[in-house]
Parts: sequence; structure tokens; C-alpha cells
Amino acid sequence: SSELTQDPPVSVALGQTVTITCQGDNFRSSYANWYQHKPGQAPILVIYPKNNRPSGIPARFSGSNSGNTASLTITGAQAEDEADYYCNSRDSSGTHYVFGTGTKVTVL
Amino acid sequence: QITLKESGPTLVKPTQTLTLTCSFSGFSLTTSRMGVAWIRQPPGKALEWLALIYWDDDKRYSPSLNSRLTITKDTSKNQVVLTMINMDPVDTATYYCAHSLMYYFDGSGYDSFDSWGQGTLVTVSS
Repeated sequence: SSELTQDPPVSVALGQTVTITCQGDNFRSSYANWYQHKPGQAPILVIYPKNNRPSGIPARFSGSNSGNTASLTITGAQAEDEADYYCNSRDSSGTHYVFGTGTKVTVL
Repeated sequence: QITLKESGPTLVKPTQTLTLTCSFSGFSLTTSRMGVAWIRQPPGKALEWLALIYWDDDKRYSPSLNSRLTITKDTSKNQVVLTMINMDPVDTATYYCAHSLMYYFDGSGYDSFDSWGQGTLVTVSS
């Protein structure tokens, strides 16, 4: 079972802001990655450790963290942001990797 | 530009061994900080990390699947191979390979999977 727990499915109105979270015991939340995954497509990295955004990822995607919780915020959600989002980081042993349970974001 | 592509059988029988190949371009697995990971997604379920091999041949496996997995690299062919023994219907999933880049923070390395293949669906059925 996953050591990283994410929010249930969420919906956001077009142009509004949505924040989803990822938490776990012994989770080094500032070192989380976030991936966007659309059906039938390859996942895309949208945030990497220390809340950095890869080149080509829109600035409306941002990461933050507090304690054992990492967060992904989409500010001004667009229709193309509708997807499943997964967090990922090292597991509690620090030796292996683990993905979160995933959150489906629907843009209304 | 980094590209990766998975190849292998689409159908395997229970108890058989699955061999998947990840062919990549745009980077070398002899370069420091580079790696290739395997991740899978059963239908309707979440992503699951399986294994990772680094430029220095360090290998990491999912603890729950460690006894069934082997990951190897062929740097001359730019390929990484994942072998999973004793396949079961619950192993039915889309299998992805991904480029891994290690970042160092506070003296520790953290990997990000920044480029992925399109995935290959493997069905386990008799």
C-alpha cells in the first residue's frame, strides 16, 4: 500500500484555484515530485524537489510544503489541466520510491 | 531531447516471466546523476514504482516486488531491461519506463522522473 495519501477527487471552476495535498509519515515533503497524468498519455513532471517547476510547465502550477504535507496549486485552472495528479518521493526508508494514491482534478 | 520507448509482450501467461525493454535516446546511462526507472499502472489504479537503475549500476527495487524483479542496463545499446518472474493476473498493467535525474539537496540525492515512455499494456491471462 502507498505511504503517501492524496485527496479524493476534486473539481474546480475554469479560471479558479485548486490545491491538492499529499501527506505521509516521515515524508520529506519539500522533496516531493508532482506528475500530471492524462488517460492514454505519458505522465508529465510538473514540480520537482524544492518546489521547482521544469521548463515548459506553465507558471500556474506551483508547489509548497508544510511539515509532512506537500501541496500542488493550480492558479487559474484551464480545461487542459483536467487530469490525475500524483505525488512521489522517497519512502520512509529513504532507499526506495513511492507514489501517492493520486487525485483526479476535474475542471468545470 | 530525451525519448524512451517500452517494448515487450502484450500477453503473458500466469507463472511466466515478463521481459520488458526500454530503448532510449537523448542521454547516456554512463553520465552521472542519470537513471532509468520502471513504473506501472494497473487499470483504474494508481502509479506504482517498480525499480530504478543508476549510471553507476546501483539498483533499487520495490520492497514488495524485490524477489521477482531484475533490472539491467546495456549502455552500448542505450537500453534497460526489466524482468519480472512468476507473473500473475494482478500484474496486468501499463508498464512505463522513465528517465531519472538525481538532484542533491542537503547532502542527499532525490530523483525526478522527468521524461516517460508512452507505456506498454501487459495482460496476464491464461
